[in-house]
Amino acid sequence: ETGVTQSPTHLIKTRGQQVTLRCSSQSGHNTVSWYQQALGQGPQFIFQYYREEENGRGNFPPRFSGLQFPNYSSELNVNALELDDSALYLCASSSGPHREVTQYFGPGTRLLVL
Amino acid sequence: GQQLNQSPQSMFIQEGEDVSMNCTSSSIFNTWLWYKQDPGEGPVLLIALYKAGELTSNGRLTAQFGITRKDSFLNISASIPSDVGIYFCAGQNKETSGSRLTFGEGTQLTVNP
Repeated sequence: ETGVTQSPTHLIKTRGQQVTLRCSSQSGHNTVSWYQQALGQGPQFIFQYYREEENGRGNFPPRFSGLQFPNYSSELNVNALELDDSALYLCASSSGPHREVTQYFGPGTRLLVL
Repeated sequence: GQQLNQSPQSMFIQEGEDVSMNCTSSSIFNTWLWYKQDPGEGPVLLIALYKAGELTSNGRLTAQFGITRKDSFLNISASIPSDVGIYFCAGQNKETSGSRLTFGEGTQLTVNP
């Protein structure tokens, strides 16, 4: 148990819809990173939030957006869903955006787009 | 972008055997990490390496940060059934991409009792 929680655990949407995924960071952590893990592949970095500001973004289109709240929990929003968005979405929290700080992963939200 | 090549893709071994897996990169990392992911869960950090040439152990696990900073390996000694899972290497380069993790594609390990 890492203390990082994600909701919902599973979700089914249809193409074109919008989805919001949620992440509660571990107590004392101010940084949340989001990753997309397609079936059979390693996680890919989407973006990171540090103290409510975006702090780095991977190679994902603008329809992937996020928020971080004052309690450091975070949301990932995906608009205009595509079939290829089907994946496990992981969030990881850490005590800062620094290199030697461990990122603790939640169990993920599995999204299926039909 | 940066890519990590992880091998082998899968391994089937007998309990008690030693296991070795590795990662190579086309570019330099200044941190190498090894994670294990069980079904239905997120990756869990096993070992972190911060210096080229560093060799670090965690119980039956040993990992090394390659001298060129473009590779790393993970060894598991005397495997047990609970070692089953997917092992991922991940790299970080603070100068070029902050604290984001770049993951390999994973090694699926099966241990036969």
